[in-house]
Amino acid sequence: GENVEQHPSTLSVQEGDSAVIKCTYSDSASNYFPWYKQELGKGPQLIIDIRSNVGEKKDQRIAVTLNKTAKHFSLHITETQPEDSAVYFCAAKTAAGNKLTFGGGTRVLVKP
Amino acid sequence: DAGVIQSPRHEVTEMGQEVTLRCKPISGHNSLFWYRQTMMRGLELLIYFNNNVPIDDSGMPEDRFSAKMPNASFSTLKIQPSEPRDSAVYFCASSLAGRAEAFFGQGTRLTVV
Repeated sequence: GENVEQHPSTLSVQEGDSAVIKCTYSDSASNYFPWYKQELGKGPQLIIDIRSNVGEKKDQRIAVTLNKTAKHFSLHITETQPEDSAVYFCAAKTAAGNKLTFGGGTRVLVKP
Repeated sequence: DAGVIQSPRHEVTEMGQEVTLRCKPISGHNSLFWYRQTMMRGLELLIYFNNNVPIDDSGMPEDRFSAKMPNASFSTLKIQPSEPRDSAVYFCASSLAGRAEAFFGQGTRLTVV
């Protein structure tokens, strides 16, 4: 089955700096890659996603890149703010299946 | 839209008791997923339904766990009997069949003592 690895597990950045989280996946048939943000005591919230026919997608301060050949994808947060502090999860899904396989999560702390 | 609604938000129960977690998916969504989140294992898919039919329950840890979806707007996850190692946060998520985006509820934090 699909296996998703996520790094780093924790990330501390100064407010205004950029944060980058990287994920790799094992199943070359995966074609959908969402990113979720989870704040304390809440459920994961979808913040951005990318499909395998696209190499990059941007939404304001967040962007995601996908390298299908290398089977890795990344989340980039620019101009970080304290409210960006949360746990971020990457995930992958194949076209055939309907289930998401999640990475282990990255705890991001933005220091004011 | 109210989003995915789960109840209760918190549950504390004694070992051996039956526990029932409830989920109301987003109206119109026809895929429903139950996940478990722990520090050790992260987010694990337990089971998912399409059009109220269980499609993949390979993530259900053992026979003590069961899930039902009697109609399009309600699902339950039952643990009987519960054990301390079942302590975790249980999430329900829903999506539209044919659409990849899944939306999560707020979760139920289960503590078995």
